[in-house]
Amino acid sequence: AQTVTQSQPEMSVQEAETVTLSCTYDTSESDYYLFWYKQPPSRQMILVIRQEAYKQQNATENRFSVNFQKAAKSFSLKISDSQLGDAAMYFCAYSTLKAAGNKLTFGGGTRVLVKP
Amino acid sequence: EAGVTQFPSHSVIEKGQTVTLRCDPISGHDNLYWYRRVMGKEIKFLLHFVKESKQDESGMPNNRFLAERTGGTYSTLKVQPAELEDSGVYFCASRGLMNTGELFFGEGSRLTVL
Repeated sequence: AQTVTQSQPEMSVQEAETVTLSCTYDTSESDYYLFWYKQPPSRQMILVIRQEAYKQQNATENRFSVNFQKAAKSFSLKISDSQLGDAAMYFCAYSTLKAAGNKLTFGGGTRVLVKP
Repeated sequence: EAGVTQFPSHSVIEKGQTVTLRCDPISGHDNLYWYRRVMGKEIKFLLHFVKESKQDESGMPNNRFLAERTGGTYSTLKVQPAELEDSGVYFCASRGLMNTGELFFGEGSRLTVL
C-alpha cells in the first residue's frame, strides 16, 4: 500500500520569504500523480499544484513550485514570496493511475504560519 | 458554479446517537468521495461512488457507517450508533469524468461525539 509522510507538523515563515515543505512517499508503481492541497482555516481544501510522475520537469504554479525527486520518492513544495493568505494546512497526496477510483492517499499535513 | 457543499458544518452528539452528514457534489460530477480526518491524523479514504453505485468502500471502518447516493446526486453518510472514536472531520469530494487526478473538496463536516 502507498504511504505519504509529511515530517513537519508546522512551519513558520516571514511574509515575503520562502518556505519549503517536505513530503516523502512510498510506492511500487511507476506511474502516479502527486498533489499539494491547501486548506485555509474553515475553508475547503483546494489544489495548489499537481505533478505527473512520468514528467521529469517540476511543476510550477505562480509562487508555488515543487522539487520532484522520483528515485528518492520525495515531493517538496516551495512557496516563494510568502503572503498572509498562504497561511493554511498543506497536505501532500498521492494517487495511483491504475485504478479507476482515483482515491487519494494523504500525508498528515503541515501547518504554515505566515508572520507579517 | 457552486462548489461541493456539506451539511452540517458542525455536529455535536452523544455517544450512541445517530448523525447523518450530507454532501452535494458539483453539478454533473458522477464521482463522489468521502474522506475522514480523525484527531489531527491523516485524511483517510472512506468510499467512492460513481453515480449511485459504490465503486470502492474499502475504507469504511465498520457497519455503523452507511453511505448512500440515491439518484446519483447528493450523498449521505450516516453513523449509527456513534462512538467517541468517530469524532473528526468528514470531507466530501467530487470530480467529473475527466480523470486529471484532481478532486474538488467541500469544507468538511466536523463531528464531535461526547
